[in-house]
Amino acid sequence: GENVEQHPSTLSVQEGDSAVIKCTYSDSASNYFPWYKQELGKRPQLIIDIRSNVGEKKDQRIAVTLNKTAKHFSLHITETQPEDSAVYFCAASPVTGFQKLVFGTGTRLLVSP
Amino acid sequence: DAGVIQSPRHEVTEMGQEVTLRCKPISGHNSLFWYRQTMMRGLELLIYFNNNVPIDDSGMPEDRFSAKMPNASFSTLKIQPSEPRDSAVYFCASSLPDQRMAFFGQGTRLTVV
Repeated sequence: GENVEQHPSTLSVQEGDSAVIKCTYSDSASNYFPWYKQELGKRPQLIIDIRSNVGEKKDQRIAVTLNKTAKHFSLHITETQPEDSAVYFCAASPVTGFQKLVFGTGTRLLVSP
Repeated sequence: DAGVIQSPRHEVTEMGQEVTLRCKPISGHNSLFWYRQTMMRGLELLIYFNNNVPIDDSGMPEDRFSAKMPNASFSTLKIQPSEPRDSAVYFCASSLPDQRMAFFGQGTRLTVV
């Protein structure tokens, strides 16, 4: 089955810096890659997603890139702010006919003022 | 829409007791997922339903765990008997037909003592 690896496990940056989180997946048939943000004690919330027919997608300070050949995708956050501090999860959805998200292990991002 | 609703938010129980977690998906969503989150193992998919039918329960850890979805608006996850290692946050999520975006409930924090 699908396996998603995520790095780094923790990331500390200064406010205003950029942050990059990387994920790799194993199933070349996966075609949907969402990113979730989870604040302490709260639910994971979808922040951006990308499908395999697109190489990059941006939404304000957040962007996601996808390299299907290498089977990796990344989350880029620019001009980080303290409220960006959270755990970020990547996920991949194999093409099995039914939706099934396989999550990475998460990256704890800390943005210091 | 109130989103995915889970109950209870917190549950403390003694080892050996039966625990039932409840979930109401977003109206119109036909896929429902149960996840377990722990520090050690991250977000694990336990089981998911499509149109009330269990599609993949390979993530259910043991026979002590069971899940049902008697109708499109309600699902339960039962643990019987519960053990301390079952302590975790259990999330329910739902998604639209032919979509991959999963919307999570607030979670149930289970503590088995």
